[in-house]
Amino acid sequence: EIVLTQSPGTLSLSPGERATLSCRASQSVSSSYLVWYRQKPGQAPRLLIYGASNRAPGIPDRFSGSGSGTDFSLTISGLEPEDFAVYYCQQFVSSPPGYTFGQGTKLEIK
Amino acid sequence: QVQLQQSGPGLVKPSQTLSLTCAISGDSVSSNSAAWNWIRQSPSRGLEWLGRTYHRSKWYYDYAVSVKSRITIKPDTAKNQFSLQLNSVTPEDTAVYYCARDLYSSNDVWGQGTTVTVSS
Repeated sequence: EIVLTQSPGTLSLSPGERATLSCRASQSVSSSYLVWYRQKPGQAPRLLIYGASNRAPGIPDRFSGSGSGTDFSLTISGLEPEDFAVYYCQQFVSSPPGYTFGQGTKLEIK
Repeated sequence: QVQLQQSGPGLVKPSQTLSLTCAISGDSVSSNSAAWNWIRQSPSRGLEWLGRTYHRSKWYYDYAVSVKSRITIKPDTAKNQFSLQLNSVTPEDTAVYYCARDLYSSNDVWGQGTTVTVSS
């Protein structure tokens, strides 16, 4: 089973700053299947990035994803108040079929 | 605009069956490009995928190993919805349960979530 480890656990930044979140896989994963979500309190996760680097419809261009193999990252340029939330990475494997999630990174206001 | 509306009880007794339904609007449970997932979230286990169903000329079902012996996901084409049944629940099954649509291995639409507590 592939394990996704996100770091840091908590990131404290100020509005307007740049955030870089990491997602490391225990073995190589396909970039096509690496996804990022943002979850605000009391809400379902929202898709931000799919295929490691593609923004989902309606997601502003301050969000960008990159990486390959075992190391992936999500960058948020110019933090807005609504960006302070928890971020999860997720990967899909086809054999046996299933999805796994990272444990999350909490982005908090400094 | 695709929307998923969840329904079902928020309290289930230990050893009983947890049953939830996810009604789909703006898409079809029989879509040949989507899959329909159940995912839960708890403080102890984080986000955990439970299983999915999808249609590609016939119906397919995939379940997480952790719940495989207890779970059933069923599509209902007449009502355009899909359901989750989880048998023999314990307090460890207490969580927020979500349904979600998967397009190209990313869950792009989510239900509102149902908090399910397993307690006598």
